[in-house]
Amino acid sequence: QSALTQPASVSGSPGQSITISCTGTSSDVGAYNYVSWYQQHPGEVPKLMIYDVNKRPSGISSRFSGSKSGNTASLTISGLQAEDEADYYCSSYTISSTWVFGGGTKVSVL
Amino acid sequence: QVQLQESGPGLVKPSQTLSLTCTVSGGSIGSGSHHWSWIRQPAGKGLEWIGRIYTSGTTNYNPSLKSRVTLSIDTSKNQFSLKLTSVTAADTAVYYCARDCVDSVFRFDPWGQGTLVTVSS
Repeated sequence: QSALTQPASVSGSPGQSITISCTGTSSDVGAYNYVSWYQQHPGEVPKLMIYDVNKRPSGISSRFSGSKSGNTASLTISGLQAEDEADYYCSSYTISSTWVFGGGTKVSVL
Repeated sequence: QVQLQESGPGLVKPSQTLSLTCTVSGGSIGSGSHHWSWIRQPAGKGLEWIGRIYTSGTTNYNPSLKSRVTLSIDTSKNQFSLKLTSVTAADTAVYYCARDCVDSVFRFDPWGQGTLVTVSS
């Protein structure tokens, strides 16, 4: 299985919205609505931000939203804040009952 | 709430076997429909899924690691374990354990704190 494809970096100014894409195949992203997103600050444990494509766990800001179209999922961060600067990873369950991650996207707040 | 904690040697010699254990607290590892995963992250790099195990012992592995990985579960100790054979420097990473599915909700949550394993002679 190949890693999901994410842009290496995305940047935006405070208050702006940014979107991170996550492209897979019909065997993973396109197969189920089991796409999740994780935020990781340096030296910290990844934190679940979105699951089942667009569901937010309790305590996660509504500024974070997810969507999917075909084999591509997306994470949108609205009202960008300095604290959003981090690495973001998508993951998808696959038809082989395995998981695959994206390569990660570094979000910079200008 | 459920918490996970990894444990094991921080240094492993090349060609030897890496062995880690994840202890689950705050809940029974065998209750409900739970799957448990191992994930690793080399320094400065991305996350790589290693494998998962169901409470029954059924396993699924990353095809790229399948020949070297074995997962096991001990419900009496509330633990699940990872063994990775024939390690090389490329296996040096922070290793995380995480719950990846509960009652048909698929997501990695919670995670352990991670443990750094260095492969070096």
